[in-house]
Amino acid sequence: AQKITQTQPGMFVQEKEAVTLDCTYDTSDPSYGLFWYKQPSSGEMIFLIYQGSYDQQNATEGRYSLNFQKARKSANLVISASQLGDSAMYFCAMREGFEEYGNKLVFGAGTILRVKS
Amino acid sequence: EAQVTQNPRYLITVTGKKLTVTCSQNMNHEYMSWYRQDPGLGLRQIYYSMNVEVTDKGDVPEGYKVSRKEKRNFPLILESPSPNQTSLYFCASSPGGVAHTGGYTFGSGTRLTVV
Repeated sequence: AQKITQTQPGMFVQEKEAVTLDCTYDTSDPSYGLFWYKQPSSGEMIFLIYQGSYDQQNATEGRYSLNFQKARKSANLVISASQLGDSAMYFCAMREGFEEYGNKLVFGAGTILRVKS
Repeated sequence: EAQVTQNPRYLITVTGKKLTVTCSQNMNHEYMSWYRQDPGLGLRQIYYSMNVEVTDKGDVPEGYKVSRKEKRNFPLILESPSPNQTSLYFCASSPGGVAHTGGYTFGSGTRLTVV
């Protein structure tokens, strides 16, 4: 079974508008962490935001916020005021438990975001 | 600067010719992993190491070997590469001890093509 599902293979957004990238996850472990990474065309993995399973509030980092709905097992990334430089592949990932399998991250298939001017 | 250094960035090789992708981190991290990235599949863990001389298989270990003789280095070895190992590879390190937030550091990636 897929542990991380990103249902949007590709998305377009107009510059300066907000966009939501969807991520659902599946785990029976009460302790987990959810991550979003950005991968520009150059290929590197850029950490954006983290949400712990016990965190009471949704994580925010600048223009990025994570809409964490624990009961629905969703962890959507919201990018406000999109910029041309936001065009990239975005991955949702999960770490289950603490230090399991070398702190293994399980990744979704990714969503390609294109920002239009 | 805290970093994970992978080499080479790009590699084209022929089927069956042994190759090694190097990975080195300067943060004294206990945990290191190798991932491969394929279209539609995201990144998948190949092997991981929890400390020196402690390594184990991840989700897609077939055709790969690793070693961890020193804490900083975690090379990925393809003894007999095949075309289905054409992929983008990432090395990542993270600290141990406590749950952490965003504590993973990824290398820049190695784009491998096996012909």
